[in-house]
Amino acid sequence: DAGVTQSPTHLIKTRGQQVTLRCSPKSGHDTVSWYQQALGQGPQFIFQYYEEEERQRGNFPDRFSGHQFPNYSSELNVNALLLGDSALYLCASSLGGGWGKSITDTQYFGPGTRLTVL
Amino acid sequence: LAKTTQPISMDSYEGQEVNITCSHNNIATNDYITWYQQFPSQGPRFIIQGYKTKVTNEVASLFIPADRKSSTLSLPRVSLSDTAVYYCLVGDGDGNKLVFGAGTILRVKS
Repeated sequence: DAGVTQSPTHLIKTRGQQVTLRCSPKSGHDTVSWYQQALGQGPQFIFQYYEEEERQRGNFPDRFSGHQFPNYSSELNVNALLLGDSALYLCASSLGGGWGKSITDTQYFGPGTRLTVL
Repeated sequence: LAKTTQPISMDSYEGQEVNITCSHNNIATNDYITWYQQFPSQGPRFIIQGYKTKVTNEVASLFIPADRKSSTLSLPRVSLSDTAVYYCLVGDGDGNKLVFGAGTILRVKS
């Protein structure tokens, strides 16, 4: 039973560039959440996708966007990269993110993508 | 936005019980409280989840008082491999957002 996978593992970009990170959820899961974790800090919630729609969003600018595909995999896109976007980007999957269900249903995390912006 | 407070760090010795408390105000009334463990350069690993009172699984217990303004993760008989950062995760009472605590660094010594 495959867990949550993310690609790439590491990425180096320069300021102003755009980046796309990818996530495949745990088998059987249909909901994907994305987090940003700066060094030495707790993860910060970016957004959550269910049924190919952004369900909820944290306090992140529009430069951060996402997509969920029919197979439940997901992408995180960040435009106009800033130095402060350097972080570990985590993807988490869960089951049953239906409207009216708790957003806090058990999430399982991938290993993350380390993004460095120079 | 919900605010969470955890101790920055804790030290313990092998075989001891460790209790880590997270204070959280303004959390959603019908959402779970979840605890995760994280090792360097890895994603958080699920430990335990609860809504109220006490929950126990094979690795930990979780105590949640009736007012749900705090939660305590209890790790029985810790070992060196339990050295990690521990986070609480709650739902924001002002909207459907997920809020992680800042994390507690647990150091287990022999």
